[in-house]
Amino acid sequence: GNSVTQMEGPVTLSEEAFLTINCTYTATGYPSLFWYVQYPGEGLQLLLKATKADDKGSNKGFEATYRKETTSFHLEKGSVQVSDSAVYFCALDTDGSGNTGKLIFGQGTTLQVKP
Amino acid sequence: DTAVSQTPKYLVTQMGNDKSIKCEQNLGHDTMYWYKQDSKKFLKIMFSYNNKELIINETVPNRFSPKSPDKAHLNLHINSLELGDSAVYFCASSRPQHGELFFGEGSRLTVL
Repeated sequence: GNSVTQMEGPVTLSEEAFLTINCTYTATGYPSLFWYVQYPGEGLQLLLKATKADDKGSNKGFEATYRKETTSFHLEKGSVQVSDSAVYFCALDTDGSGNTGKLIFGQGTTLQVKP
Repeated sequence: DTAVSQTPKYLVTQMGNDKSIKCEQNLGHDTMYWYKQDSKKFLKIMFSYNNKELIINETVPNRFSPKSPDKAHLNLHINSLELGDSAVYFCASSRPQHGELFFGEGSRLTVL
């Protein structure tokens, strides 16, 4: 079946460090891929998405590239800030069109950035 | 103005009770969802409604009954609450063919 696996957290970094959060997926067909972020006490917000192979999603300095050959969608940021501290979720849309809203989420990775 | 709002934000109750969580969205979206987040932050879809019609029901126990009086509202009623129902329940909405979900802040349910 469809699934998403993320690296275990928490990830603790100093401000201005480079961030990578690994995400791999298993899916039939061609899913759309997403990164959502959950700040403390809030709901999830879409951070970025990619709908087909080799697409790069980017937002707020974060990037992720849809790699079909490695079934991965790793999240990166060149220089993290304290305000980036949150839980990050990788997800896929099983329909492949990005339209169903039936997202399969990874287990979430907590990022803590220290000043 | 909150785009997707849920009430209550916190709910503490005894096993066996019945409770409801309400959700409203002012984004004009046609589709609304309930997701459950467990204590390990694992998120799973429960239900999806499109313009008041149920379109996704993910083998959730019959004790859970969603109701959508109109496309801006999706409520969740839970009968005979069990300890395992303790979780954060998130409401979300989306536009057709857009792929982005807008989540509410969540309702934390604790069953004692």
